[in-house]
Amino acid sequence: ETGVTQTPRHLVMGMTNKKSLKCEQHLGHNAMYWYKQSAKKPLELMFVYSLEERVENNSVPSRFSPECPNSSHLFLHLHTLQPEDSALYLCASSQEAGGPNGELFFGEGSRLTVL
Amino acid sequence: AQSVTQPDIHITVSEGASLELRCNYSYGATPYLFWYVQSPGQGLQLLLKYFSGDTLVQGIKGFEAEFKRSQSSFNLRKPSVHWSDAAEYFCAVGAYGAGKSTFGDGTTLTVKP
Repeated sequence: ETGVTQTPRHLVMGMTNKKSLKCEQHLGHNAMYWYKQSAKKPLELMFVYSLEERVENNSVPSRFSPECPNSSHLFLHLHTLQPEDSALYLCASSQEAGGPNGELFFGEGSRLTVL
Repeated sequence: AQSVTQPDIHITVSEGASLELRCNYSYGATPYLFWYVQSPGQGLQLLLKYFSGDTLVQGIKGFEAEFKRSQSSFNLRKPSVHWSDAAEYFCAVGAYGAGKSTFGDGTTLTVKP
């Protein structure tokens, strides 16, 4: 496989459930990101990891918990979500976080619906 | 703080017609500028980027964009649109790399036969 792969592509969960989104990049990049894309809202940066260390957390509620066990994998653990958390969650990677060659490579997204 | 404005929420053009999507940015120093495209049900794909040098940059799929510092703009153009270009287009500005990019709200392009 090449590029950035996200699973699952679609997820429906209740507000009391616990689930996780998974992202894997096959590009040898050092930085990985989670973005949230809601209808009629701009893309929101949630978390940035550089070499497995979290370098940015944009005031994201604690019901979203990221995990980066190595530079190729990124998870977003979800618990006690709210219906307004329903959105497309996009994972991206770049060669470096904050470097001049930092174009983003995106996965296809995980469409989350919270009931 | 950096910001991006895409004034047009939705644009409709006929196949074969030319296209220009507008992007205005606000940033105190020389920005890093990007255009991404998102087809339905897909992630975003980079079309082109500007860091420095020639202010007219060429991208994939026949797109180009021109950086105009005096107008704080980075408009995307294509001379002849194809039906497969129908998608949502996002302009983004970065402080010192894509990791800090701020995205515009996007412009949805519809292509009429």
